[in-house]
Amino acid sequence: EDKVVQSPLSLVVHEGDTVTLNCSYEVTNFRSLLWYKQEKKAPTFLFMLTSSGIEKKSGRLSSILDKKELFSILNITATQTGDSAVYLCAVEGGGSNYKLTFGKGTLLTVNP
Amino acid sequence: ETGVTQSPTHLIKTRGQQVTLRCSSQSGHNTVSWYQQALGQGPQFIFQYYREEENGRGNFPPRFSGLQFPNYSSELNVNALELDDSALYLCASRIQGFENIQYFGAGTRLSVL
Repeated sequence: EDKVVQSPLSLVVHEGDTVTLNCSYEVTNFRSLLWYKQEKKAPTFLFMLTSSGIEKKSGRLSSILDKKELFSILNITATQTGDSAVYLCAVEGGGSNYKLTFGKGTLLTVNP
Repeated sequence: ETGVTQSPTHLIKTRGQQVTLRCSSQSGHNTVSWYQQALGQGPQFIFQYYREEENGRGNFPPRFSGLQFPNYSSELNVNALELDDSALYLCASRIQGFENIQYFGAGTRLSVL
């Protein structure tokens, strides 16, 4: 059974801090790993990673994948209160249905 | 804004009732997946539809069923509701074979009393 574990489950930081969120996985026939941000309801797409060692960047957010050690990290630099959300890691693998297996998420709270 | 819309936003039902949730996919997206997200948990895959046929299912009983229509909108039906069915139900659409990024709607919050 596919499995995704995120850590920490929750994190409280001050504005301006840098945070690293972790995601480890076990999946049959790995295709990709995705990060989503969930503020109220709809998870919004951040990154899709398919190859090891290639950093994806978007503004203050960046992510990288290690397919040998089966993990990914999401970095957020110079955090802002608007970064407060649940960050979900999901892996896509196996079969023909491209289903996503999610971790429980990391609840990030950024205080002013 | 993902272009995926769900209705209704909130719903309250009692145990044993039946419910239908609706999803309108992003234009051009031919594949829709449904997920159940319990409080404090990540979304769990229910099933996926591609070209109006179910082509993958998670660990959910048969009382969870779905439909996809020619215009790629879809429905999730749940019969004989149980208290544990209370959750946020999310649909996600994508173009199969291209990009494969799933875009989510805002979900329907179902409460079963």
